[in-house]
Amino acid sequence: SQTIHQWPATLVQPVGSPLSLECTVEGTSNPNLYWYRQAAGRGLQLLFYSVGIGQISSEVPQNLSASRPQDRQFILSSKKLLLSDSGFYLCAWSPGGGGWRNSNQPQHFGDGTRLSIL
Amino acid sequence: DQQVKQNSPSLSVQEGRISILNCDYTNSMFDYFLWYKKYPAEGPTFLISISSIKDKNEDGRFTVFLNKSAKHLSLHIVPSQPGDSAVYFCAASGPNRDDKIIFGKGTRLHILP
Repeated sequence: SQTIHQWPATLVQPVGSPLSLECTVEGTSNPNLYWYRQAAGRGLQLLFYSVGIGQISSEVPQNLSASRPQDRQFILSSKKLLLSDSGFYLCAWSPGGGGWRNSNQPQHFGDGTRLSIL
Repeated sequence: DQQVKQNSPSLSVQEGRISILNCDYTNSMFDYFLWYKKYPAEGPTFLISISSIKDKNEDGRFTVFLNKSAKHLSLHIVPSQPGDSAVYFCAASGPNRDDKIIFGKGTRLHILP
């Protein structure tokens, strides 16, 4: 069966420090991968989207970047965190090639990382 | 520019009654719609979906209705239970194989005893 791992669960970082959040998926190949942020009053905002290794689409201009060094690994990074980067970050995957449509589980989310910037 | 809109940030419903959550979309290319449920400090979990070739899909207590001409969909929960208290996200996607799933801002549902 497929599983998604996201860590750490919580993180407290000072302003100006770097960030690296990692997400890995097991039990599937060539998934579509997503990074979302849930911030107060902003709902579930799509940050990055990847359909393959090295292929990253950025959805909103921001202080963050994403990389996909391996097929089932998705990393969210920042060189210098801002106060506005605080939020709940969620990694998700869906079957690649449109296979998620009409699936009984079209998109699977990790448990999220609560990031607090001080 | 928000393509998926949930205009009610919160909703309170008496236990046992019907909960109706609404969602509007602007992109006429969207042809697949999903509802997710999210508890605090957890990732969203998939509830129910509907393709644009249908106008209704039912799964137990959950029914999703789609009105394509109005670009509107709704989620009905009958009867509402205390465990239904959560944030509900509406999401949509287009027909191309790599189209993204776009979420609304969510509606917080409170089920009152």
